[in-house]
Amino acid sequence: KQEVTQIPAALSVPEGENLVLNCSFTDSAIYNLQWFRQDPGKGLTSLLLIQSSQREQTSGRLNASLDKSSGRSTLYIAASQPGDSATYLCAVFAAALPWLNSGGSNYKLTFGKGTLLTVNP
Amino acid sequence: ETGVTQTPRHLVMGMTNKKSLKCEQHLGHNAMYWYKQSAKKPLELMFVYNFKEQTENNSVPSRFSPECPNSSHLFLHLHTLQPEDSALYLCASSQGTPSGETQYFGPGTRLLVL
Repeated sequence: KQEVTQIPAALSVPEGENLVLNCSFTDSAIYNLQWFRQDPGKGLTSLLLIQSSQREQTSGRLNASLDKSSGRSTLYIAASQPGDSATYLCAVFAAALPWLNSGGSNYKLTFGKGTLLTVNP
Repeated sequence: ETGVTQTPRHLVMGMTNKKSLKCEQHLGHNAMYWYKQSAKKPLELMFVYNFKEQTENNSVPSRFSPECPNSSHLFLHLHTLQPEDSALYLCASSQGTPSGETQYFGPGTRLLVL
């Protein structure tokens, strides 16, 4: 069973700092990995999606890396701002039942519990 | 209106009530999902619909009953819920499944069961 762990659970940094959020997953047979952002009481916004064949993706001040063999991903945020304060969720997309023939079903996103980031002005 | 919308945004119900959550996507997607987000727990996938057909039921109790009349609308009918069902219920959609494309999430319905 796929399990996703995010460390740390919470992080508080001063504005302007560069920071790294960590994600690990137990089964390396994934199709892709996504990082989402969730603001309090709201839904999720997709930040970056890394396919299993890729090593990293970049969007603005965000850079996500993927090491599938070791089951790890990091989200790097450069020059953090108070507006970056949110919960960051890591999710892997993989077969829910990997021993079944890939007939087009039984795939799902498995989420970590998230890292609550606070950037202080 | 664009994106994924959910109504109501907040709901308080007793254990004997029957209520429904509604989700609508304006993105032309073919797949829709229900997730449950409880405090201190990861998001849990509940149901997946692809082209209006349910392709996954992640061992969800029968007191939760999904309905997908078309590719743009998804409902979650609730009856005789328990206090532990209190959570944020999120709807999402994607172009297709299981390609692994990005899922777009609605704002969620915050449910409190008394």
